[in-house]
Amino acid sequence: QKEVEQNSGPLSVPEGAIASLNCTYSDRGSQSFFWYRQYSGKSPELIMFIYSNGDKEDGRFTAQLNKASQYVSLLIRDSQPSDSATYLCAVIGGSYIPTFGRGTSLIVHP
Amino acid sequence: DAGITQSPRHKVTETGTPVTLRCHQTENHRYMYWYRQDPGHGLRLIHYSYGVKDTDKGEVSDGYSVSRSKTEDFLLTLESATSSQTSVYFCAISEQTSGTDTQYFGPGTRLTVL
Repeated sequence: QKEVEQNSGPLSVPEGAIASLNCTYSDRGSQSFFWYRQYSGKSPELIMFIYSNGDKEDGRFTAQLNKASQYVSLLIRDSQPSDSATYLCAVIGGSYIPTFGRGTSLIVHP
Repeated sequence: DAGITQSPRHKVTETGTPVTLRCHQTENHRYMYWYRQDPGHGLRLIHYSYGVKDTDKGEVSDGYSVSRSKTEDFLLTLESATSSQTSVYFCAISEQTSGTDTQYFGPGTRLTVL
């Protein structure tokens, strides 16, 4: 069974700090990796995806992928209170159906 | 928002009654999905569709059926609702983004079964 693991948190960081969110996955054949942000009472919204080893940057967000160690992470620089949300990791393997982690709750305090 | 709407947005019903949730998309996406989201479980796939009248089961399909008679509409039916089906239901579509199949979600339906 394909598994995607995330620490449920909450992860609490001060405003302006770097928030680091981590995700591990069990399926070595996984090909694409996604980060979603979900505010309370809202639907998940895509932040970014990555499919090659290394880093991918988009504004204040950086996704990092290490296929050999089977983990993917999301760094949020200059964290703002508006970044407070649950962050979902999703992984796609050969079936093209994503498997989602349970999410990490992030709290950015002023 | 990938042009996805869900109806109703909120529904309260009683155990044993049938319930149908609708997902509507305006951009001719081939793949559509139904998920439920519960505390402690995250997003779990119920059913998905890969074309008109082409559907398949996800990991939590028991007690649910789906239909897709038109590209734009994907219906989720609870034949006889139970309290364990109280949840938030999300519809999603899949779209090619930079060569990667990426899911986008509708606004969700909050269903309460009393």
